[in-house]
Amino acid sequence: DGGITQSPKYLFRKEGQNVTLSCEQNLNHDAMYWYRQDPGQGLRLIYYSQIVNDFQKGDIAEGYSVSREKKESFPLTVTSAQKNPTAFYLCASSPGQGSYEQYFGPGTRLTVT
Amino acid sequence: GQQVMQIPQYQHVQEGEDFTTYCNSSTTLSNIQWYKQRPGGHPVFLIQLVKSGEVKKQKRLTFQFGEAKKNSSLHITATQTTDVGTYFCAGQGSGTYKYIFGTGTRLKVLA
Repeated sequence: DGGITQSPKYLFRKEGQNVTLSCEQNLNHDAMYWYRQDPGQGLRLIYYSQIVNDFQKGDIAEGYSVSREKKESFPLTVTSAQKNPTAFYLCASSPGQGSYEQYFGPGTRLTVT
Repeated sequence: GQQVMQIPQYQHVQEGEDFTTYCNSSTTLSNIQWYKQRPGGHPVFLIQLVKSGEVKKQKRLTFQFGEAKKNSSLHITATQTTDVGTYFCAGQGSGTYKYIFGTGTRLKVLA
């Protein structure tokens, strides 16, 4: 888990506002991932990126957007189009190139009212 | 699409009892990973299994990957209170970089 930071830990927004969640890693990992976790549920993949300037949609990408302009950073924007944005958001990274164990950040708990 | 299910959803055991969680995929997997998430925390990588029929041990934890590479199990011998948390499997399908997480098994250990 060390080397991946997510900020802030808690985030509150009003409905209709876009919000960007930060994810930074200093592990020199190629791959980065965003997951959403709802209470008592598993992790669902939102977006993932194997290399800089490239990313793919996961299983629940609607209402979210990402960018991967730098290897260390993979910010996630929760747009107003996301119908149920309140959740625990987890960012992860993995070395890539055949090594895919994922290292998770501490997460951001987003509440939209 | 690929689905990964875990059973049981919850398990309460007395300290010292054994515990097993099972993971089943709808498709053949390239490899499978296991993670542990403590209450209020984030998932922590435990292990990755790649070969058909593979068995790996970490102290009191034993991980198995099925012969058909569609199922896996995690067995904990003589549980301790420190084992409390939710255990997730995550399977990678062939030809993809992404992992599909199972629904998780929440373990409570009663002292």
